[in-house]
Amino acid sequence: EAGVAQSPRYKIIEKRQSVAFWCNPISGHATLYWYQQILGQGPKLLIQFQNNGVVDDSQLPKDRFSAERLKGVDSTLKIQPAKLEDSAVYLCASTSTGTAGYTFGSGTRLTVV
Amino acid sequence: DAKTTQPTSMDCAEGRAANLPCNHSTISGNEYVYWYRQIHSQGPQYIIHGLKNNETNEMASLIITEDRKSSTLILPHATLRDTAVYYCIVSGGGADGLTFGKGTHLIIQP
Repeated sequence: EAGVAQSPRYKIIEKRQSVAFWCNPISGHATLYWYQQILGQGPKLLIQFQNNGVVDDSQLPKDRFSAERLKGVDSTLKIQPAKLEDSAVYLCASTSTGTAGYTFGSGTRLTVV
Repeated sequence: DAKTTQPTSMDCAEGRAANLPCNHSTISGNEYVYWYRQIHSQGPQYIIHGLKNNETNEMASLIITEDRKSSTLILPHATLRDTAVYYCIVSGGGADGLTFGKGTHLIIQP
C-alpha cells in the first residue's frame, strides 16, 4: 500500500511569513495526526483528527497554528506568522481503528530564519 | 511527560542480538506497549506492540514482564541499518495519541 505522503519535503521561510504543509494519509485510515519534532527531541503531538473532526488539539498553539481536514481525507497544517522557534520537522501520521500502529510520513523540515 | 524510561544510548555489535530495555511502572491494565524506531531524516517506523503476552514479528520480538512494569525489544541479528533512535511508548491504542520520550539511540558497530 502507498505510504503517508507529505509535501513539501523542505521549506525555508523568514520569520513572520506564513507556511502550509500538506498530508495525504493511507487510504481508509480514519485517524490523522500532526506532530512537531524539534532537533534532538521526540515528536510532540499537535493535533489529532478522526475523519474530519478534531479529537485533540490541546497542544496546538492556536494563536499561530491551524489545521484542517475538510473531507476527512487529506489535511493541511498552517503556521501564520512563523517564529524562529517553529523550526522543526512536521510529521503526519495515520492509523486505522483499533490498536494498530501508526504509519508516519517522511515529514517536512521547516527552517525559519 | 512520557510514561516510560529508556537508556539514552546503547551499542551493539553487528550480527549480535540487540536488547533494548524499557521501564513503564505506571502502565494501566488497558494500555499497550508500542515500539517505534526513527532512522535519521525519516519519520518514525512502527515495529511491534503488545499487551501482556510476548510478541514476535518479522522485525523484532517483544518480551513483557509478568507484572507488565517493564519490557525488552529484541532485534535478533542486528545490522548497520538498525542504527536508529528506538522509542518505547505506552498507549491505549485507537484514538489515544502517542507520547514520545527521547528514546534510546542504538548504534550498531561493524
